[in-house]
Amino acid sequence: AQSVTQLGSHVSVSEGALVLLRCNYSSSVPPYLFWYVQYPNQGLQLLLKYTSAATLVKGINGFEAEFKKSETSFHLTKPSAHMSDAAEYFCAVSISNFGNEKLTFGTGTRLTIIP
Amino acid sequence: GAGVSQSPRYKVAKRGQDVALRCDPISGHVSLFWYQQALGQGPEFLTYFQNEAQLDKSGLPSDRFFAERPEGSVSTLKIQRTQQEDSAVYLCASSLEGTGLGLGGDFGPGTRLTVT
Repeated sequence: AQSVTQLGSHVSVSEGALVLLRCNYSSSVPPYLFWYVQYPNQGLQLLLKYTSAATLVKGINGFEAEFKKSETSFHLTKPSAHMSDAAEYFCAVSISNFGNEKLTFGTGTRLTIIP
Repeated sequence: GAGVSQSPRYKVAKRGQDVALRCDPISGHVSLFWYQQALGQGPEFLTYFQNEAQLDKSGLPSDRFFAERPEGSVSTLKIQRTQQEDSAVYLCASSLEGTGLGLGGDFGPGTRLTVT
């Protein structure tokens, strides 16, 4: 079975500062890894995904994440925070299982941007 | 193009009532997933369809939960005799096909169910 741990249920950063949201995974087979963002009363929007190609993955809105197998991590970063980045962020893992690519999510990190 | 749509967006049910939640996936998407997101938590997998076949229902919390996708497009999640612990946002996601590429899927806006 696979699992995801997100360290820090709440993270606050100043506008213009570096954003770092942490995610560690556990999987017995090579995983696919995802970061999603959720704004209030909305569904999940995919920010980026790792599918065993390049270990540094670039996503939308200036976010990127690096897959580190030795550390079983997939931390999300953005060089300069913007007010519009305030939202809930979820890390998720899935494995290839005959088309059933169900996602296992972490508990989420709420990002607050300080003006 | 049109994304995944879900209806209703909000549903209030009295304890013991039956509810039906609808998901319209993106046209042509083979795979469809249902997730349950309790307040302050991450989504949790409920069930998976490939076309009309329900291939994984390991996440359904009880036999009060039932899902169907009879024609391989629209899906309905039914909850019988609702309980307060069923209060959550129910998310639907669809993807083109299970190609092993970890597509993740496109998510709908969710249905917020409140059981009183």
